[in-house]
Amino acid sequence: GENVEQHPSTLSVQEGDSAVIKCTYSDSASNYFPWYKQELGKRPQLIIDIRSNVGEKKDQRIAVTLNKTAKHFSLHITETQPEDSAVYFCAASPYVGYALNFGKGTSLLVTP
Amino acid sequence: DVKVTQSSRYLVKRTGEKVFLECVQDMDHENMFWYRQDPGLGLRLIYFSYDVKMKEKGDIPEGYSVSREKKERFSLILESASTNQTSMYLCASSWGGGDLGTDTQYFGPGTRLTVL
Repeated sequence: GENVEQHPSTLSVQEGDSAVIKCTYSDSASNYFPWYKQELGKRPQLIIDIRSNVGEKKDQRIAVTLNKTAKHFSLHITETQPEDSAVYFCAASPYVGYALNFGKGTSLLVTP
Repeated sequence: DVKVTQSSRYLVKRTGEKVFLECVQDMDHENMFWYRQDPGLGLRLIYFSYDVKMKEKGDIPEGYSVSREKKERFSLILESASTNQTSMYLCASSWGGGDLGTDTQYFGPGTRLTVL
């Protein structure tokens, strides 16, 4: 089955700096790669996703890049703010809406 | 707005008890999922269902079963609860497979189950 590896497990940055979280996957049949943010005590919420026919997608301060050949994808957060502090999960799936294989999560701390 | 609800936020049960966790979605979604979340392990898929009365095992189905008698409701059953099933359980739903718009999974608030 699919195996999704996520690094780093913890990340601490100063407010205003950029943060990058990286994921690799094993199954070449994976075509859909969402990123979820989970604040303390809350449910995971989708922040951005990318499909295999796209190499990069951006939404304000958040961007995701995908390298299908190398089987890795990354989340980039620019101009970080304290409210970006949360656990971030990457995931992979063959299709949108199908069962997701999640990475183990990255705990991001943004210090003022 | 998609709404996924779970029957309890917190639950305490004794070893050996039969435990039912209920999940309801109000968006006519075909797909429903049960995950458990443990620190350092991320979210792991227990069972999922792509249609009423259909169920598929995920990565860690041992000790669990599911029921989907109606489209909007997906129940997770712990036949005989054990202490190693103490965890956060998250339900999720999505409209269907394919490439029609952004149709990712929407999560419920979670049930924190403690088995004593």
